[in-house]
Amino acid sequence: EIVLTQSPGTLSLSPGERATLSCRASQSVTKSYLAWYQQKPGQAPRLLIYGASTKATGIPDRFSGSGSGTDFTLTISRLEPEDFAVYYCQQYGSSFTFGPGTKVDIK
Amino acid sequence: QVQLVQSGVEVRKPGASVKVSCKASGYMFSTYAIHWLRQAPGQRLEWMGWVNCVNGDTTYSQKFQGRITITRDTSASIAYMELSSLRSEDTAVYYCVRNPRGSGYFDYWGQGTLVTVSS
Repeated sequence: EIVLTQSPGTLSLSPGERATLSCRASQSVTKSYLAWYQQKPGQAPRLLIYGASTKATGIPDRFSGSGSGTDFTLTISRLEPEDFAVYYCQQYGSSFTFGPGTKVDIK
Repeated sequence: QVQLVQSGVEVRKPGASVKVSCKASGYMFSTYAIHWLRQAPGQRLEWMGWVNCVNGDTTYSQKFQGRITITRDTSASIAYMELSSLRSEDTAVYYCVRNPRGSGYFDYWGQGTLVTVSS
């Protein structure tokens, strides 16, 4: 099973700042089959990025994904108030596994 | 618009079974797969299995093999997940999610169903 590790566990930033979230896989993720989701309290996760870098429908341009192999990054260029949430990565190259999440909270 | 609406909160005793439903609307049901995931308190999301909504074929995580059954009713656009021999560790929020065929990501999620297992 591919185990995903996310860092940092918590990221404390102010609105307008840049957020960089990391997702590392225990082995190479086939064809960059990696997705990112956003989850707010009491809500289901929402798909942001798939294929490591393709934005899902309706996702703002400030969100971008990059990476390949075992190292992937989600970047939020300028944090808006609605972006403070928990972010999960998921790989789908070998079955389906999720990372533990990174919480982005207000500094 | 695409919606997945799940059934409500469930409370069960250890050893019992639970069946959660997921009604899809806003798209052609059979053109997407439905997967089931769960999120236990303080734990990461966990994949449980999926159903091919065209032919009803299923694939389950080895962890749940023998305890899980996923079915679908194409006439009603509903998918079901039944988990048996419940234990306290099965207490979690269960999600149905839509999966574009040929991919492995999940583009729409149900609102989640809390299942509590307690004596």
